[in-house]
Amino acid sequence: EDQVTQSPEALRLQEGESSSLNCSYTVSGLRGLFWYRQDPGKGPEFLFTLYSAGEEKEKERLKATLTKKESFLHITAPKPEDSATYLCAVQPPGGTYKYIFGTGTRLKVLA
Amino acid sequence: ETGVTQTPRHLVMGMTNKKSLKCEQHLGHNAMYWYKQSAKKPLELMFVYSLEERVENNSVPSRFSPECPNSSHLFLHLHTLQPEDSALYLCASSQGPGTNYEQYFGPGTRLTVT
Repeated sequence: EDQVTQSPEALRLQEGESSSLNCSYTVSGLRGLFWYRQDPGKGPEFLFTLYSAGEEKEKERLKATLTKKESFLHITAPKPEDSATYLCAVQPPGGTYKYIFGTGTRLKVLA
Repeated sequence: ETGVTQTPRHLVMGMTNKKSLKCEQHLGHNAMYWYKQSAKKPLELMFVYSLEERVENNSVPSRFSPECPNSSHLFLHLHTLQPEDSALYLCASSQGPGTNYEQYFGPGTRLTVT
């Protein structure tokens, strides 16, 4: 069964303390991997799409990388405003509109 | 502003009520989705419409009934819900038709079934 697992479930960082979030998947023939940010009481906000192993994308303090089995979201020198839940989703092969989401990592950055 | 709006933002309904959730996208996208988000669970895909035609229906109980009158609007009609249906209902759109596109989400409707 296709699965997406995110770790850790929750993470507390001091402002400026860099770290990484993990998204591992069991989908074969990945068609796309997506990262989203979700603030409390809001819908997920799109961050990145990755399509093939070795690909990297950057946006401000965030950098997403992809291997054949997992993706990492690296957060460099985070600020309190980076506090949110980060969701990972994968799209399996098959030509459908199916997106498989993980349960997310709740990030809290302390000032 | 993501370009996807949802109303109402909060809804409390009894198990015998009938209500509807509305979603509108201003992005010119061709695919629209309904998701259910419950605490500590992954987003659950409920329905997908592409060019106003339903293309996915993930074994959702019949008490949830979707409607897509055009490519900009999506409704979720609710009737005789159960308390376990209480959740955040998210609407999303993507460029479509076809896949590999990122989704843009609305702010959600927080539904409480009493």
